[in-house]
Amino acid sequence: EAGVTQSPTHLIKTRGQQVTLRCSPISGHTSVYWYQQALGLGLQFLLWYDEGEERNRGNFPPRFSGRQFPNYSSELNVNALELEDSALYLCASSLRDRAYGYTFGSGTRLTVV
Amino acid sequence: AQSVTQPDIHITVSEGASLELRCNYSYGATPYLFWYVQSPGQGLQLLLKYFSGDTLVQGIKGFEAEFKRSQSSFNLRKPSVHWSDAAEYFCAVGNQAGTALIFGKGTTLSVSS
Repeated sequence: EAGVTQSPTHLIKTRGQQVTLRCSPISGHTSVYWYQQALGLGLQFLLWYDEGEERNRGNFPPRFSGRQFPNYSSELNVNALELEDSALYLCASSLRDRAYGYTFGSGTRLTVV
Repeated sequence: AQSVTQPDIHITVSEGASLELRCNYSYGATPYLFWYVQSPGQGLQLLLKYFSGDTLVQGIKGFEAEFKRSQSSFNLRKPSVHWSDAAEYFCAVGNQAGTALIFGKGTTLSVSS
């Protein structure tokens, strides 16, 4: 069974640019979660999508947005990049029954210069 | 407020020695509890989870954890640590409703020879 896949693995962008990160969940998983892991700040929850709808978002500005497609894959968009957006962005997916856990991808390393 | 506390930022253990990583949580609803491990630059791998039943749960790589409701704790243990266990360990709490996992700040484990 393929795991959660994220693309690209690494990305370098210039301040002010826009970026799109992609996530493909495990087959059968309907929920996708996005997390930001910046140095020294731990794992910060960004967004939760379930059945194509945004269910919750963390304490991040509106320039962080995303969507979930009918095949349950997801995109995270970040506009007007700032230096502090440099981080590892992790995607996780889960079944409707959360007792089975959440499976994480390997992440996208974003560097803003 | 919902939170997860991992009191130990960094622990060093000799190879072959036993290990216990502490995790305390504050959560209003019946919690689902997880331990994840992260190697440098990688995503998170699920070690074990608890959602009901036997309070002592077994995971992968020889890890186990015990849920103690009275102490709001879910400590991770391993009887004999291997050098390959050196990594960062995260405790997380969630629930059946699917609200995003709340993570602790993590504990970095170093293994000395």
